[in-house]
Amino acid sequence: QKEVEQDPGPLSVPEGAIVSLNCTYSNSAFQYFMWYRQYSRKGPELLMYTYSSGNKEDGRFTAQVDKSSKYISLFIRDSQPSDSATYLCAMSDNNDMRFGAGTRLTVKP
Amino acid sequence: DTEVTQTPKHLVMGMTNKKSLKCEQHMGHRAMYWYKQKAKKPPELMFVYSYEKLSINESVPSRFSPECPNSSLLNLHLHALQPEDSALYLCASSDPRGLAKNIQYFGAGTRLSVL
Repeated sequence: QKEVEQDPGPLSVPEGAIVSLNCTYSNSAFQYFMWYRQYSRKGPELLMYTYSSGNKEDGRFTAQVDKSSKYISLFIRDSQPSDSATYLCAMSDNNDMRFGAGTRLTVKP
Repeated sequence: DTEVTQTPKHLVMGMTNKKSLKCEQHMGHRAMYWYKQKAKKPPELMFVYSYEKLSINESVPSRFSPECPNSSLLNLHLHALQPEDSALYLCASSDPRGLAKNIQYFGAGTRLSVL
């Protein structure tokens, strides 16, 4: 079992849809949870991060962490074609960061 | 400003060449990282520098040689690479203090092709 599991997709949605991206993990020591967006042939861009459990909202993006279930989510409201990218979840204890495999998202006009 | 700058953006080199990748950040971060990323895969950690000292080397072949000349700069020296080393090389930095100590910020990467 991988330490971080993320469905690689691909995921295709129409413009305006609500997108749900998810990761599960096995290491209960993880305390920091990040979502990165990576456009093709570019470096990962930090979208949001949360510490421990809870929700965090930033514009059209909402990140949720449920430590009891070892499950994190990223919701994108009113998705736009410019949101088409690979979304990587990442999580960290005090030492190491682990990435999910990344989910490729396409938002069609 | 959360910018990490990497140069060059693209690099093509032969297997006998020596080249260097450069990374720079001015966020006051004292931890810097090198990652290798192959197509459709997540980044793989290569090296970590903490307070300008090498703290993690993930069993990377010696043809990759990192260097941290000061707290803002990170280099990766390349020598006698193989075609399978072709990849996107990413630099990242983080502030090892406080609650955000594990939040890494990435550069745009150097796309390396080894012929």
